[in-house]
Amino acid sequence: SQTIHQWPATLVQPVGSPLSLECTVEGTSNPNLYWYRQAAGRGLQLLFYSVGIGQISSEVPQNLSASRPQDRQFILSSKKLLLSDSGFYLCAWSGVGDNEQFFGPGTRLTVL
Amino acid sequence: AQTVTQSQPEMSVQEAETVTLSCTYDTSESDYYLFWYKQPPSRQMILVIRQEAYKQQNATENRFSVNFQKAAKSFSLKISDSQLGDAAMYFCAYRTAPGLIFGKGTKLSVKP
Repeated sequence: SQTIHQWPATLVQPVGSPLSLECTVEGTSNPNLYWYRQAAGRGLQLLFYSVGIGQISSEVPQNLSASRPQDRQFILSSKKLLLSDSGFYLCAWSGVGDNEQFFGPGTRLTVL
Repeated sequence: AQTVTQSQPEMSVQEAETVTLSCTYDTSESDYYLFWYKQPPSRQMILVIRQEAYKQQNATENRFSVNFQKAAKSFSLKISDSQLGDAAMYFCAYRTAPGLIFGKGTKLSVKP
């Protein structure tokens, strides 16, 4: 069966510091991968998605970037964190042509 | 652009009773997918049920069922025989390329 991992689970970072969140999927090949952010009291917002290695599309302009160095690895990064980057970050995957998305356990990021 | 609206920020139900969570959406598409996700205190998003717009039959998954009214663009979730473990945030979501559009969620409390 497929599983999706995210780490770290929790992260507290100062403003201006770099960021790297990792997501990996097991048990499937060539998944579509997604990064969502959930700000406090809000629903989820799609940040990035990827249909293959090195293929990244951004949905909203922001201080973050994403990369997909391997088929089942998706990384969310920032060179300099802002206070507004705080939130809960969820990685998700779907099979090619599938409509359901399955989510990882998430990373709670606090920028101080 | 598609939108998803959940008009009930909070709901409460007595254990073993039935509760219905509301969701409306706006779209110009004729074929699409709708989902309900559950987010317990652990904050991992769990897929509860899906509905394909071209199917007239309402989806059912054990104690969870939907009332899909395509003309009214309504997609409500009914939870029967509510259990303490059903307490969570529930999000309605619309599948659009490339990702999902979420409502703001309904917090469900279950009273013993």
